[in-house]
Parts: sequence; structure tokens; C-alpha cells
Amino acid sequence: KQEVTQIPAALSVPEGENLVLNCSFTDSAIYNLQWFRQDPGKGLTSLLLIQSSQREQTSGRLNASLDKSSGRSTLYIAASQPGDSATYLCAVCEAGTALIFGKGTTLSVSS
Amino acid sequence: GAGVSQSPSNKVTEKGKDVELRCDPISGHTALYWYRQRLGQGLEFLIYFQGNSAPDKSGLPSDRFSAERTGESVSTLTIQRTQQEDSAVYLCASSRTTHYEQYFGPGTRLTVT
Repeated sequence: KQEVTQIPAALSVPEGENLVLNCSFTDSAIYNLQWFRQDPGKGLTSLLLIQSSQREQTSGRLNASLDKSSGRSTLYIAASQPGDSATYLCAVCEAGTALIFGKGTTLSVSS
Repeated sequence: GAGVSQSPSNKVTEKGKDVELRCDPISGHTALYWYRQRLGQGLEFLIYFQGNSAPDKSGLPSDRFSAERTGESVSTLTIQRTQQEDSAVYLCASSRTTHYEQYFGPGTRLTVT
């Protein structure tokens, strides 16, 4: 059974720092991996999707990498801003098509 | 609309009552998913619809939960005889088709008293 783990559970950084969020999964037979952010009381916003054949995807200050063989993905956020404060969720898509989520990393960026 | 919409945004109900939650997916998206997020826990898959195929109900926690979808449009999630442990945020997502990027609605917060 696929399990997705995110470390750390919470992270606090000062504005301007670069940071890395980690995601690991137990079964490498995935179609893709998706990173989301969730703001309090809101739904999920898709940030990046990496297909299983890809190694990384970039969008603005965000860069996500995927090492399928080792079951790991990282989300790199450059020059963090207070507006980046949110919970970041990692999810993998398997043959069954439903996403399997980690419990998230709650990021707080102080000004 | 441009995104996935859900209604109601909040629902408070008494234990034992039935509730119906609605999801309007992005136009043209053939795949539709329901997830549940209980307080302090991760998102759990409930049910998945793809076109006219039989839905994948493998995530439904009990026979009190059911869902329907009319063609490739609106879906309703029904919870019968609600229990306090059903209290959660229910999230709907849609994607162009299987294995494509999923887009989420704002969720329905259900509170069972």
C-alpha cells in the first residue's frame, strides 16, 4: 500500500530564505506527482505536476524534482515571502488514479 | 465557471440526518474525484468518476456514503444518517481525464452536532 510522507511537518523561516520541502513515497510505480498549497479554510491550489518520466518542473520561484527510483521529491522555494505561508501537500497518482496525499508541511515565513 | 465549484460552503447538521453535497467540475473535464479531510489528518480518497465508466467506490468508508454523477457534469455526494465522525471538509476535484492534473474546489465544511 502506497504511503506518502512529508518532512518536516512544520517549518518557520525568515523572509528571503531559500527552502526545501521533502516528500517520500514507498511505491515507485507512479504516473505522476503533484504539489499543492492549501491556505487555511481554502481548497487546494495546484503548484506543479511532474510526470513519472520527468526529473523536474519549474514555475516562477518554485522548482520540484522527482527521483522515482528512490521514491523522493523535493519542492524548492527560492527567496521566500510572507505570502508563501501555507500548508504544502505532496500527492502521488498511481494506476488507480486517485491521488494519495502526504499530511503536508506547514510553512511560516516571517517578515 | 473557470474553476471547480462546490455547495454549500458550510453545512451544520444534526446527527442522524441525511446531507447532500454538490460539485460542479470544470467544463470538459471527464474525471471527477471526491476526497475528505478530517481535522488534523491528510486527505482521503472517497470516490472517482471517469466518463461513463463505473465509478471507483473503493474509498467510501461505509454504505452510508454514496455519490452520483450525471454524464460529465454535476456530482452529488450523499451521506445518510450522519455521524459525528463524518465531520470534515469534503473536497471535489476534476481533471481533463485520467492521470491529468487535478483541480480542486474550495470544499464543503460539514459539521455534525
